[in-house]
Amino acid sequence: KAGVTQTPRYLIKTRGQQVTLSCSPISGHRSVSWYQQTPGQGLQFLFEYFSETQRNKGNFPGRFSGRQFSNSRSEMNVSTLELGDSALYLCASRSTGVAYNSPLHFGNGTRLTVT
Amino acid sequence: GESVGLHLPTLSVQEGDNSIINCAYSNSASDYFIWYKQESGKGPQFIIDIRSNMDKRQGQRVTVLLNKTVKHLSLQIAATQPGDSAVYFCAENIREGYKLSFGAGTTVTVRA
Repeated sequence: KAGVTQTPRYLIKTRGQQVTLSCSPISGHRSVSWYQQTPGQGLQFLFEYFSETQRNKGNFPGRFSGRQFSNSRSEMNVSTLELGDSALYLCASRSTGVAYNSPLHFGNGTRLTVT
Repeated sequence: GESVGLHLPTLSVQEGDNSIINCAYSNSASDYFIWYKQESGKGPQFIIDIRSNMDKRQGQRVTVLLNKTVKHLSLQIAATQPGDSAVYFCAENIREGYKLSFGAGTTVTVRA
């Protein structure tokens, strides 16, 4: 089975621009989550989707948004980019809608650099 | 083997020794715990998980121990190999939540 696929792997943007990141979960997985990883803050939860519905959202400003499509693929968008948005953005999927039944499986991330 | 009583950001281990990585979790309502391994340039890779109704779980060369009384989690790696060099994260899932809270991570370096 193919793992979680994230595109693109690397992105360089300038302040004020917006960016869209894409994630394809493991086949059959309906829950998709997004995390931001930085050296200073570690891994921080952004949001989680299940069957196209956002079930939980982390403590990030409204510039960060996401969505999930009917085929479980997901995108996240960051508008009005700031230097502090430079990070590794990780997408993860799990096989069930029940959080404590199965682990998250992560992709290799999109490295976003804001200049 | 090498062990860490409290969480330390780095751990240096001799190849062939056993490693113990510790983690303190924050929420007594957490019901599910996972250990991840992250190598340079890659996303976190699932190692082993444990539910709150268990104290111990074993996998291939790895054992996770859960002490709910003191909210402590540990990962033991037997016969540490060079390929075990990575950053290790513990994560907790709060009951009925849909997000994981991650620890700060421990960088394990295996000495030949």
